[in-house]
Amino acid sequence: GAGVSQSPSNKVTEKGKDVELRCDPISGHTALYWYRQSLGQGLEFLIYFQGNSAPDKSGLPSDRFSAERTGGSVSTLTIQRTQQEDSAVYLCASSLGPRNPYEQYFGPGTRLTVT
Amino acid sequence: EDKVVQSPLSLVVHEGDTVTLNCSYEVTNFRSLLWYKQEKKAPTFLFMLTSSGIEKKSGRLSSILDKKELFSILNITATQTGDSAIYLCAPGGIQGAQKLVFGQGTRLTINP
Repeated sequence: GAGVSQSPSNKVTEKGKDVELRCDPISGHTALYWYRQSLGQGLEFLIYFQGNSAPDKSGLPSDRFSAERTGGSVSTLTIQRTQQEDSAVYLCASSLGPRNPYEQYFGPGTRLTVT
Repeated sequence: EDKVVQSPLSLVVHEGDTVTLNCSYEVTNFRSLLWYKQEKKAPTFLFMLTSSGIEKKSGRLSSILDKKELFSILNITATQTGDSAIYLCAPGGIQGAQKLVFGQGTRLTINP
């Protein structure tokens, strides 16, 4: 079946603008995760959804970052008033949820560049 | 803060060599440890290890977890240029959390 998909694949935006990144998980996966990877850094957890609820938002770096998930499927990560330090690859992953939460499958990512 | 350290950070070998990549972690009370291969953007799943001392194999790749000594290794035998990538390890289920905590990765380069 289809894997995790993300859009756009690349996004260039001016400092101060808002951006929305989209993730479509694997069908049947109830858990969805957002991570980001800055240049030369490891993957950093942002937020986790189980269904439409976000029981762990501990990785969101500031209140400019928010995410939602609707219908237990598609998720949107929104960054308001973007800053240059937000430039990174934003990766989405999904898993079967409580049955097997740690075997996470990643999408191709969105490369965000803030100029 | 949970700490995951991978070594070496970078490794260059010739095709056909065998390599061992290391992952040590200063976390306790976790459920599973995962290995991923990252060639461009998307990490691809390799192994999930839950029990200590049980080796998992997939073709030329194998991995094992030692929960007592707090490390895991990933072995690749008869390396090929297609094995060139960044290899990431990540414990999951730390203190019951669902997130994975990633190490900084090992950049492996296989020269022909």
